[in-house]
Amino acid sequence: AQTVTQSQPEMSVQEAETVTLSCTYDTSENNYYLFWYKQPPSRQMILVIRQEAYKQQNATENRFSVNFQKAAKSFSLKISDSQLGDTAMYFCAFKRYNQGGKLIFGQGTELSVKP
Amino acid sequence: NAGVTQTPKFQVLKTGQSMTLQCAQDMNHEYMSWYRQDPGMGLRLIHYSVGAGITDQGEVPNGYNVSRSTTEDFPLRLLSAAPSQTSVYFCASSETGAKNIQYFGAGTRLSVL
Repeated sequence: AQTVTQSQPEMSVQEAETVTLSCTYDTSENNYYLFWYKQPPSRQMILVIRQEAYKQQNATENRFSVNFQKAAKSFSLKISDSQLGDTAMYFCAFKRYNQGGKLIFGQGTELSVKP
Repeated sequence: NAGVTQTPKFQVLKTGQSMTLQCAQDMNHEYMSWYRQDPGMGLRLIHYSVGAGITDQGEVPNGYNVSRSTTEDFPLRLLSAAPSQTSVYFCASSETGAKNIQYFGAGTRLSVL
């Protein structure tokens, strides 16, 4: 069975600084997807970034980028130039390649961006 | 563009009562899922569906029933609510194909007294 672990329950960062959130996962699959979702106080789940395991190139979306290390089963999220609106709970998630509708989530990391 | 719509947003039940959480999507997605979110545990899959008429259990299915009679709707039923079912519930849908991105509803906060 697949598992996803986020070992940092809480983190804080100063506005405009860079922060990295950690995620590790366990799977015997070779093809899969990894995601980072953001959940602000509004409770809405918002997709931040997505990585396909067969792509070696790390995904980037504006200020958000990932460090995907397939052999180490690590998938960290880097937020550059942190903004107050980045304050949220962040979830790492795993999905097998051919298993639509089944995401496996980590426990979440609560990020606070301080002015 | 409505996306995934969940109703109600909040609900309080007494132990033993039954209720249905509604979920509808207007994106013609084949896959739909129900998750529950509890503090310190992330989101856990309750039930999911890969198309109309097809459902399967997730990680925590006990105490919940689902059906999928149409592509658009995927209701979650609690037949006899228990305090352990106090949680925030999310419905999600996703398309088939390469993208496989799940889109979430706004959630339902349920308290069982």
